[in-house]
Amino acid sequence: SQLAEENLWALSVHEGESVTVNCSYKTSITALQWYRQKSGEGPAQLILIRSNEREKRNGRLRATLDTSSQSSSLSITATRCEDTAVYFCATDWASGGNYKPTFGKGTSLVVHP
Amino acid sequence: AQTIHQWPVAEIKAVGSPLSLGCTIKGKSSPNLYWYWQATGGTLQQLFYSITVGQVESVVQLNLSASRPKDDQFILSTEKLLLSHSGFYLCAWSPDRGGDTQYFGPGTRLLVL
Repeated sequence: SQLAEENLWALSVHEGESVTVNCSYKTSITALQWYRQKSGEGPAQLILIRSNEREKRNGRLRATLDTSSQSSSLSITATRCEDTAVYFCATDWASGGNYKPTFGKGTSLVVHP
Repeated sequence: AQTIHQWPVAEIKAVGSPLSLGCTIKGKSSPNLYWYWQATGGTLQQLFYSITVGQVESVVQLNLSASRPKDDQFILSTEKLLLSHSGFYLCAWSPDRGGDTQYFGPGTRLLVL
């Protein structure tokens, strides 16, 4: 099973609404990342939150991390149509000098006008 | 500013034919380089990583090979394609050995028939 996975396969909201994507993971981590992947493009990292951080913001994005429940959330406020994308969480796994993120399957977010 | 370029954008190939995908990073010396594969609707899976020229480590065995002939170039190839090789191939780079911030290229979409 995935070491990191998002809790919902798909979400749909209207522009201007807020939305939250949740993620759970199964190992102890040093950091968790949130990525966004638009159709036909490579993923783009949105927020990296380290295990000693509880919250991190990037513009309209806010990520939280709860290491006790091994979960994270990504909230987007004032959504726009261009926020339509698949959102992944990824946890770190460093081995032999390589950083190997383990990605969840993603939550597909559709923002309707 | 750093840029990452992948070629070709898309390929349709026959089972058993050879494949070569390329990735170039400009504006960053000695980056860590990565190849990822994403099945349609699936999650990202790291295939190879390279810390320096001429050195490539395999993460997942998928009957593919990778090489780093130059500091800014990463090549993914195989002598014989399988149907299961279809998917989206992404190159990524990281500015440091920690690797927890990765920047992805636009990807190459491969369909094997």
